[in-house]
This record gives sequence, C-alpha cells and structure tokens, in this order.
Amino acid sequence: TQLLEQSPQFLSIQEGENLTVYCNSSSVFSSLQWYRQEPGEGPVLLVTVVTGGEVKKLKRLTFQFGDARKDSSLHITAAQPGDTGLYLCAGESFTGAGSYQLTFGKGTKLSVIP
Amino acid sequence: EPEVTQTPSHQVTQMGQEVILRCVPISNHLYFYWYRQILGQKVEFLVSFYNNEISEKSEIFDDQFSVERPDGSNFTLKIRSTKLEDSAMYFCASSRRQTYNEQFFGPGTRLTVL
Repeated sequence: TQLLEQSPQFLSIQEGENLTVYCNSSSVFSSLQWYRQEPGEGPVLLVTVVTGGEVKKLKRLTFQFGDARKDSSLHITAAQPGDTGLYLCAGESFTGAGSYQLTFGKGTKLSVIP
Repeated sequence: EPEVTQTPSHQVTQMGQEVILRCVPISNHLYFYWYRQILGQKVEFLVSFYNNEISEKSEIFDDQFSVERPDGSNFTLKIRSTKLEDSAMYFCASSRRQTYNEQFFGPGTRLTVL
C-alpha cells in the first residue's frame, strides 16, 4: 500500500507571509498532482508534475517534484485570504494490472488571516 | 469549460437500501473513476473504468458495489445494500489519458445512510 504523508496538517498564517507544504512518500510515482478542495466540493486540479526535479509555477504558487519522484512541495508566496482551503497531493502509480490509480494524502488545511 | 457533473448532490437512504449515484464525465474523456471521502478523512480510490470494463478496483469496492456506463454519457455507481459505514462523499472523476492523467473531479454526492 502506497502512502503519501502531507505536512503540516494545519497551517494558519498572516496575509503576506510565505509558506511551504510538503508531500512525502517512500514510493516512486509516475506523476504527482496537486488539488485544492473547498468544503463540500470536489478536488480541483491545480497542477501535474511528471519529471523528477520539475518545477511548475502557477502565479504565486510554485510546485516542485523531487528528483527521485517520491516527494513534492507546494510553495505559496505572499499568501492571500483567497488561498484559504484544503490542499491535497495525489501520486499516480501503476497498479500492475495495466492500470494507474491516484493515492491521495490527507491534505493540508491552510488558513490565511487578513 | 467542460466539467464533470454528478447527481444527486445529496442522497439520504435507509440501511439496506440500494442507491445509484450518477455521473456525466467530460465528453472526450475515456477513463472514469469513483472515489469516496469519509468525513474528515482522505480521498480513497474505489474503481477505475475503461472501455466498458473495470480496470482496477480497491479493497473497498466489494461485491456490494458495481459500476456501469449504460449509455454514451452516464457513468453510475450502484451500492446494492447500503451500510452505515457507506456514508461519505462520493466523487466521480474522468481523464483523457491513462497515464500522467489529469483527473477532473465532479462536485460529489453526499450519501447519508441512516
């Protein structure tokens, strides 16, 4: 069973601060996806990283995939109240039955205080 | 922008009853998935579906569960005899490719089993 550990579980920061969320595993993933989920809604895809060491930027959000494709980070610069939400990472892995599936972490609940 | 839709948004049922959750994936997607999220817990993979058959299923997806694509647009999850522990948010997702697949999630159906 593959596990993805996200840290921290909860993060409360002031508007304008920077933050980093981590997603770690002992397993190698073919790709890793970051989602954001609002209460009572489905996860919304933010980005997919595929290559070890890959860095992708989405405005103030920077996503990095570890060189060994086992871990990833999400860095937010100058956080704003609109960034408040649950951030999920999900690793894609080959199941050996000719199929791929996503394994989700528990998420980081971010609260940005104005 | 195309999106995955799910109905109903909320389903309340008595223990032992059958429920069918419905999803309309994005039209040009070929791979379909069901996930569930028990309140306060992580998103868990249930089943993947391609070419009118199940590609992969998790341990959660036991004989009480079944999936079907009855026509060219709908994708359904049936729970034959619901249990209290089936209460959760159920998310449908679809993707265009099998790997490096960016899965797009629906808004979910909240299932409450009494």
